[in-house]
Amino acid sequence: EAQVTQNPRYLITVTGKKLTVTCSQNMNHEYMSWYRQDPGLGLRQIYYSMNVEVTDKGDVPEGYKVSRKEKRNFPLILESPSPNQTSLYFCASRQLPGLGSSEQFFGPGTRLTVL
Amino acid sequence: AQTVTQSQPEMSVQEAETVTLSCTYDTSENNYYLFWYKQPPSRQMILVIRQEAYKQQNATENRFSVNFQKAAKSFSLKISDSQLGDTAMYFCAFMIVRGAQKLVFGQGTRLTINP
Repeated sequence: EAQVTQNPRYLITVTGKKLTVTCSQNMNHEYMSWYRQDPGLGLRQIYYSMNVEVTDKGDVPEGYKVSRKEKRNFPLILESPSPNQTSLYFCASRQLPGLGSSEQFFGPGTRLTVL
Repeated sequence: AQTVTQSQPEMSVQEAETVTLSCTYDTSENNYYLFWYKQPPSRQMILVIRQEAYKQQNATENRFSVNFQKAAKSFSLKISDSQLGDTAMYFCAFMIVRGAQKLVFGQGTRLTINP
């Protein structure tokens, strides 16, 4: 089954304790990205990657890191989480436009609470 | 900068009625995609319908159709014969086909279908 998986689905942590949210896709997609969803703001892009070892900032990258060492994986790293990073996080993947569908496939989301 | 605006934070209709969700966007680009996503209580992001900007014909998917007005930069979603399962948050989104190729989302409209 074609899918994007994220782990963990729920996480409660404390300020300053480093954490990683994993993301993996099995569709051989080139493009992967992370979004955060906050009430009244919709989803906003944090980071994206167009291929292995190619990553770039989105609209709200402060406080986050990513890496793309393998095509299928795109982890999101919070080195020192703060309460304003409490949010719902989505990983997504798709083919690059021109290579097929424009449809973006989303993971199930990770609910993060930073105390 | 590209922006997407959904002016209706909440809407409520009776089952079997028709409902239209509004969306406007702002861009100077000419080549882009527009999307409507549904987010039920499970939080999963589900693609409802997609429109390529170069196509004049409005997209239709079963009970879901759009009214795409390119000059007015408007992209509304019409749900016919609404069902209880249509209750969800709906997001309008837009993606230009170059550069970061990110999805830009509106704030969302919470739609409730009443029995």
